[in-house]
Amino acid sequence: EDQVTQSPEALRLQEGESSSLNCSYTVSGLRGLFWYRQDPGKGPEFLFTLYSAGEEKEKERLKATLTKKESFLHITAPKPEDSATYLCAVQARRGDYKLSFGAGTTVTVRA
Amino acid sequence: NAGVTQTPKFRVLKTGQSMTLLCAQDMNHEYMYWYRQDPGMGLRLIHYSVGEGTTAKGEVPDGYNVSRLKKQNFLLGLESAAPSQTSVYFCASSLDRVVNEQFFGPGTRLTVL
Repeated sequence: EDQVTQSPEALRLQEGESSSLNCSYTVSGLRGLFWYRQDPGKGPEFLFTLYSAGEEKEKERLKATLTKKESFLHITAPKPEDSATYLCAVQARRGDYKLSFGAGTTVTVRA
Repeated sequence: NAGVTQTPKFRVLKTGQSMTLLCAQDMNHEYMYWYRQDPGMGLRLIHYSVGEGTTAKGEVPDGYNVSRLKKQNFLLGLESAAPSQTSVYFCASSLDRVVNEQFFGPGTRLTVL
């Protein structure tokens, strides 16, 4: 069974204080690893897809990286508007279409 | 484009009552999904559909039924609601299996008393 573990559960940062979120996964053949952002009371918003170890993707202050066992979401010089819950999900190469989600990391950035 | 929309946004039911949640997407996506999200847990897949007229069970299907009579709509039904079904329900859609970025609706907050 696919497993996704995100750490830490919560992260409090000062504005400008860079940090990283971790997503560790166990999957039988990775098709893709997905990062989403979720604001309170809203649905998850797609950020990135990573397909192979060594791949990196960036969007504004966010950068996602992937190894064979984990992914990191780096937040560089965060601003208060980066406060959200960040979700990680994996999809296996086998025939079903299911994404397995982690429980998320809630990031709070103080001005 | 509205993307993925869900109705209603909030609902309170009594144990044993039934209801249907409606999901609509205007992106011409083939795949649609229903998830539930509970505190401290990841999104869990209830049912999904890989095309009009098809449905399949996900991780936690018991107590729910679904239908996809039109490509753009995916309905989630609760025949006899239970307090354990108190949750936030999200619908999502994706273009196909190869491009599996899922786009989510705003959610329905359901409370079963």
